Amino acid sequence: GAVVSQHPSRVICKSGTSVKIECRSLDFQATTMFWYRQFPKQSLMLMATSNEGSKATYEQGVEKDKFLINHASLTLSTLTVTSAHPEDSSFYICSTAREGNYGYTFGSGTRLTVV
Amino acid sequence: AQSVTQPDIHITVSEGASLELRCNYSYGATPYLFWYVQSPGQGLQLLLKYFSGDTLVQGIKGFEAEFKRSQSSFNLRKPSVHWSDAAEYFCAVGQYNNNDMRFGAGTRLTVKP
Repeated sequence: GAVVSQHPSRVICKSGTSVKIECRSLDFQATTMFWYRQFPKQSLMLMATSNEGSKATYEQGVEKDKFLINHASLTLSTLTVTSAHPEDSSFYICSTAREGNYGYTFGSGTRLTVV
Repeated sequence: AQSVTQPDIHITVSEGASLELRCNYSYGATPYLFWYVQSPGQGLQLLLKYFSGDTLVQGIKGFEAEFKRSQSSFNLRKPSVHWSDAAEYFCAVGQYNNNDMRFGAGTRLTVKP
């Protein structure tokens, strides 16, 4: 099956700094990747859809200037949380769907803590 | 708009007992339905999925789910629960290769010895 690698798994940063999260598809080319956010004991909320070679599509209510998404290659999408604040602390998960393979594959997630 | 409801926030079962996790969906067309499992601090692992055909779907780890269109349900079952099954379970509805995938709120499963 498809393999998605997400890095880092855990990061602690100071308020006001930026953090980059990487999502890589290891064994196939992913033209589309999805970024989710999950608050403690809650479900996943889709933040944005990352499209290789074009601008990301953000869900309503998600600040595109705060959550910068770059999908520069067919195997890598990055999410940068800019000027992070404690309320940005959350679990961020990426996923992708392999062409012809029904069902999304998820990364292992990134626990972001902003202090 | 599509949506998913998981009525049970938390379920506790004894090891060896049977399990059923409920999922109801709302979708205008034929839905693609998924069950995922998430261990603490981890990503999601696909247990099983339904797109068409046989309404009883077999998944990994001994799980199965039954699609009932008349009840708009896709309940997850396992005949005998193991302690390692303790986790968070998410039902999701969506389309193939489409970003409009919706997750239920999740059901946390606790397994008693």
